[in-house]
Amino acid sequence: ETGVTQSPTHLIKTRGQQVTLRCSSQSGHNTVSWYQQALGQGPQFIFQYYREEENGRGNFPPRFSGLQFPNYSSELNVNALELDDSALYLCASSLGEGDSPLHFGNGTRLTVT
Amino acid sequence: QKEVEQNSGPLSVPEGAIASLNCTYSDRGSQSFFWYRQYSGKSPELIMFIYSNGDKEDGRFTAQLNKASQYVSLLIRDSQPSDSATYLCAVKRSNFGNEKLTFGTGTRLTIIP
Repeated sequence: ETGVTQSPTHLIKTRGQQVTLRCSSQSGHNTVSWYQQALGQGPQFIFQYYREEENGRGNFPPRFSGLQFPNYSSELNVNALELDDSALYLCASSLGEGDSPLHFGNGTRLTVT
Repeated sequence: QKEVEQNSGPLSVPEGAIASLNCTYSDRGSQSFFWYRQYSGKSPELIMFIYSNGDKEDGRFTAQLNKASQYVSLLIRDSQPSDSATYLCAVKRSNFGNEKLTFGTGTRLTIIP
């Protein structure tokens, strides 16, 4: 049990729509990271939030945005969905100040049609 | 050149034998190295991490790191059918929690009963 909870588990959206994915961090963790894993690929880093501020971003367009709340839970928002956004979205929480390996939540499977 | 390279497989190993999974990385500044196991349709699960050159053993798993050769491997002894999964290698530039993970595309391992 990693303590990281993601919702929803599965989601189907239409091209052009917007989607919000949610992540509840493990207790005591102040950093949350989001990754996208397309079929047959390794996870790709989207961005990371530390104490409610974005402090790292991968090669994703601005239509991928996020939030981290005072309780350290987080949202990933994707606007103007494209077919290539279909993927498994993974959230992981950690202690930003120290060295702690990432443990992922169960993920959200997004399908864009 | 990909930042993290793995043989995509599939790698087939008889039950009870040793499975050997390999990974090379291009960034000499990488400091932390991780192995994740991913069952089909599930999120990646951390099974090993290693920071120093040499071997690190945990049960049936041994991680091996050679920074000079930019090479990290995972050995699975006494392979079981439940070990059949995709194994993802990931590297990080620092030992701090707020550094992103860079993943390979994974090696699909099949244990043959």
